[in-house]
Amino acid sequence: AQSVAQPEDQVNVAEGNPLTVKCTYSVSGNPYLFWYVQYPNRGLQFLLKYITGDNLVKGSYGFEAEFNKSQTSFHLKKPSALVSDSALYFCAVRDGEGFKTIFGAGTRLFVKA
Amino acid sequence: NAGVTQTPKFRILKIGQSMTLQCAQDMNHNYMYWYRQDPGMGLKLIYYSVGAGITDKGEVPNGYNVSRSTTEDFPLRLELAAPSQTSVYFCASLPGDREATEAFFGQGTRLTVV
Repeated sequence: AQSVAQPEDQVNVAEGNPLTVKCTYSVSGNPYLFWYVQYPNRGLQFLLKYITGDNLVKGSYGFEAEFNKSQTSFHLKKPSALVSDSALYFCAVRDGEGFKTIFGAGTRLFVKA
Repeated sequence: NAGVTQTPKFRILKIGQSMTLQCAQDMNHNYMYWYRQDPGMGLKLIYYSVGAGITDKGEVPNGYNVSRSTTEDFPLRLELAAPSQTSVYFCASLPGDREATEAFFGQGTRLTVV
């Protein structure tokens, strides 16, 4: 069965500092991995995805994520955080052979000015 | 292009009442999904559909029903509302090419059962 773990409920970082939001996953086949962001009272918005190829993927708003197969991780990163990055971030995984996308519990990112 | 549209945005139900949450997409996507979002629990998959006439259970299907008579619409039915169904519900869709893309989400329906 697929599963996703986001070990941190909240991440606090100062504006201008690098940020990392952690995600580990479990799937039976090849993973399709995603990061989404949710702002208050809104639906989820896509940030980036890993399907195949380069382990470092770049996405919207300066975010990037690194796929690590041996550690089954897909951590979200940004070199310099902005206050406007403060939001709820979800990691998600889909088994490449299946149809279901499973989400983690979410990590709230708080960027302090 | 409206994307994924959910109605209503808010609803208060009494215990035992029934209602249908509507979801429509205009992108000709084959795959559609219903999730519920509870604080600290992330999104849990309720039901999904890979095309008109085909539906399947997700992680938390009990207390819900779905139908998919057209590609565009994927309504979620609550027959006997219970307080445990108080949540924010999101509908999402994907194109038919399973490798291709991310999901597109609606704005959500906030449901309170009292």
